[in-house]
Amino acid sequence: EAQVTQNPRYLITVTGKKLTVTCSQNMNHEYMSWYRQDPGLGLRQIYYSMNVEVTDKGDVPEGYKVSRKEKRNFPLILESPSPNQTSLYFCASSVPGQGTEAFFGQGTRLTVV
Amino acid sequence: AQSVTQPDIHITVSEGASLELRCNYSYGATPYLFWYVQSPGQGLQLLLKYFSGDTLVQGIKGFEAEFKRSQSSFNLRKPSVHWSDAAEYFCAVGPSNDYKLSFGAGTTVTVRA
Repeated sequence: EAQVTQNPRYLITVTGKKLTVTCSQNMNHEYMSWYRQDPGLGLRQIYYSMNVEVTDKGDVPEGYKVSRKEKRNFPLILESPSPNQTSLYFCASSVPGQGTEAFFGQGTRLTVV
Repeated sequence: AQSVTQPDIHITVSEGASLELRCNYSYGATPYLFWYVQSPGQGLQLLLKYFSGDTLVQGIKGFEAEFKRSQSSFNLRKPSVHWSDAAEYFCAVGPSNDYKLSFGAGTTVTVRA
């Protein structure tokens, strides 16, 4: 089954404690991205990757890092989480190109206290 | 820059009644338009998309959307809603040259018996 898998689904952590949210896709997609979803703001792109070892900032990259060492994996790293990073995070993948469908993971709800 | 506006934050509709969700976009070229649905605790699922051609697009779950270039709109409709249609709906435009999708803030649909 074609899917994007995120882990963990839920996470509560303390300010400053480094964490990683994993994302893996089994569709051999070149393009992957991370979004955060906040009430009233919709989804905003954090980082994206066009292919292995190619990453770039989205609209709200501050406080986040990513890496793309393998095509299937695109982890999101919060080096020093802060309460304003409490949000619902989605990973997505797609074939690059105008108008292609993005496939989304089920989301990771992160709470930073 | 591309952007999407969903004017309605929350809509309540009776089961069996019709539903229309509004979406207005801003895009510099021919838009690629999408509607996604997010059911509680789930990721985003594509309902339908428009690239070109017939301006009335059919999607899954009985949804359709109409592209109106003159109004910069892409409204989503369903003739008769079911309780399972209670969800949050997102309109999106793009991708742009960096393959980013821009999402609206979302419309939450509540279905009453």
